[in-house]
Amino acid sequence: KAGVTQTPRYLIKTRGQQVTLSCSPISGHRSVSWYQQTPGQGLQFLFEYFSETQRNKGNFPGRFSGRQFSNSRSEMNVSTLELGDSALYLCASSLGSGSAYNEQFFGPGTRLTVL
Amino acid sequence: SQQGEEDPQALSIQEGENATMNCSYKTSINNLQWYRQNSGRGLVHLILIRSNEREKHSGRLRVTLDTSKKSSSLLITASRAADTASYFCATNSGYSTLTFGKGTMLLVSP
Repeated sequence: KAGVTQTPRYLIKTRGQQVTLSCSPISGHRSVSWYQQTPGQGLQFLFEYFSETQRNKGNFPGRFSGRQFSNSRSEMNVSTLELGDSALYLCASSLGSGSAYNEQFFGPGTRLTVL
Repeated sequence: SQQGEEDPQALSIQEGENATMNCSYKTSINNLQWYRQNSGRGLVHLILIRSNEREKHSGRLRVTLDTSKKSSSLLITASRAADTASYFCATNSGYSTLTFGKGTMLLVSP
């Protein structure tokens, strides 16, 4: 089975722009979670989607949003980018909802740099 | 916010030696998981240990959990250069999200 894929792998944007990141889960996985990783804050949970519904949301401003499609692929969008949004964005998929009860399979991440 | 705190922050050992990393957390948990990350890439799931378990093994990995002390340890035996990575503990406290610690950077020298 193919693993979790994320596109693009690298992205450079300027402040004020918006960005959309994409994640394709492992075939058959219906849950997709997003995490932000920075040197200062470490790994922080953004949101989880299951069957096109957002199940949980982390403590991030409304500029961060996401969605999931019927084929379980997910996108996250960040609007009005700030320098502090520079990070590695990781997507993880699992068979069911409740990511903590199911092993999560992570993608390679999208490295976003905001200038 | 970080729930788990790994200790030490960095660990340097020789191949063949054992590596022990510790994780402490603050609130009660349903389970605790350990992940490995190689140099800014995705995370790889290592072991999940539930709150009613005390020890689990997987190959050269041994994880213990002490809920009374709110701590866990990851032991890697007979380490190899390929074990060089960052190791994270992640806790679940009843919601469907994982809360990660800041990780231990392990360097295994040949």
